[in-house]
Amino acid sequence: NAGVIQTPRHKVTGKGQEATLWCEPISGHSAVFWYRQTIVQGLEFLTYFRNQAPIDDSGMPKERFSAQMPNQSHSTLKIQSTQPQDSAVYLCASSLEGAPPQYFGPGTRLLVL
Amino acid sequence: GDQVEQSPSALSLHEGTGSALRCNFTTTMRAVQWFRKNSRGSLINLFYLASGTKENGRLKSAFDSKERYSTLHIRDAQLEDSGTYFCAAEAQGGRALIFGTGTTVSVSP
Repeated sequence: NAGVIQTPRHKVTGKGQEATLWCEPISGHSAVFWYRQTIVQGLEFLTYFRNQAPIDDSGMPKERFSAQMPNQSHSTLKIQSTQPQDSAVYLCASSLEGAPPQYFGPGTRLLVL
Repeated sequence: GDQVEQSPSALSLHEGTGSALRCNFTTTMRAVQWFRKNSRGSLINLFYLASGTKENGRLKSAFDSKERYSTLHIRDAQLEDSGTYFCAAEAQGGRALIFGTGTTVSVSP
């Protein structure tokens, strides 16, 4: 069991560019969660899918951020027109049928210059 | 507003001693998870509790939903216990985890 896989591990992008982050949940897990970690805000929930359907996106910024789960084996978080304040570690987690516990990936460290 | 208050923010221990970390919740939570961030920055699952207590080696955790708190006890601390520990709670009616601000534990010889 490889655990939750996130790619890339590091990404540097210029202001205004688009960034796409990938997450592969643990095989058999039907729930995928995205979180963001910054020094100022700590760890914050962004969005959650169960069986590929969006369930709760209450933590997603209303503009420029979108997430999808096109199949059981991966989810993407896309940030359009990236801004320096988007710099953070983006964490993906998965769980069985939306039930705890959640298992976290290593995160993608995004730096927007 | 903040719903998970974790304390202390930093904790220094000598090898062989013990202490406790605590998370207070401003609302009733359904369950709690405790994590440790490893040297690579990954969150490693320590405990998941919906009630009561659990123990694993030198770590023991408790969760009281009614009293709105959870604790993580470290006994006989070892150097490898150093790291940042997070609690994260699951609110009623949701699956998103609400994280505490973390406790940086430093164990010295």
